[in-house]
Amino acid sequence: GPKVLQIPSHQIIDMGQMVTLNCDPVSNHLYFYWYKQILGQQMEFLVNFYNGKVMEKSKLFKDQFSVERPDGSYFTLKIQPTALEDSAVYFCASSLKAETLYFGSGTRLTVL
Amino acid sequence: GDSVTQTEGPVTVSESESLIINCTYSATSIAYPNLFWYVRYPGEGLQLLLKVITAGQKGSSRGFEATYNKETTSFHLQKASVQESDSAVYYCALGSNYAQGLTFGLGTRVSVFP
Repeated sequence: GPKVLQIPSHQIIDMGQMVTLNCDPVSNHLYFYWYKQILGQQMEFLVNFYNGKVMEKSKLFKDQFSVERPDGSYFTLKIQPTALEDSAVYFCASSLKAETLYFGSGTRLTVL
Repeated sequence: GDSVTQTEGPVTVSESESLIINCTYSATSIAYPNLFWYVRYPGEGLQLLLKVITAGQKGSSRGFEATYNKETTSFHLQKASVQESDSAVYYCALGSNYAQGLTFGLGTRVSVFP
């Protein structure tokens, strides 16, 4: 089936630094999402991106977070500066019609 | 807000036995949300197992079935005879607002032993 790729699979970073998580969505998809899963908790919606704009974001999507997809390349989540509570697995998803989502394998972010 | 509650894992079952994973939901933003089961096999990303968008309907895939029950607000996942390859983490999810994507349960880890 369609594949969403996330790069890297693991990232370790010092608190206060910037980090960019990359997602290569399914090629003809139009809707892009980021979810966050803290160990032992459920996956939670962060943000939805469509037509070059953030459509919806949750309260977890702090001011330090930003997303973009420049020129149809990677869909990225940038956190600047990072905080300890940002340690989690971040999942990217894409969708053609904002209904069935296709997920990547996640990027495990550890903030020290 | 919306929420999903599912069987707490881990669940251990022998090959060829039956499996049921309970899922109940609460959707405050829409009366009849779309309901999904996603699965994550070891080392892989989440993938859609089945979905049902109409109350009262049943979805099925790979021997799994789930019926959308609006009276009990449930969407239990069942399989009559599991195989070792069904070992995975199963997530129940609902979609009530397309912009927000999906609301997930905690996931249920299932281990099938030969």
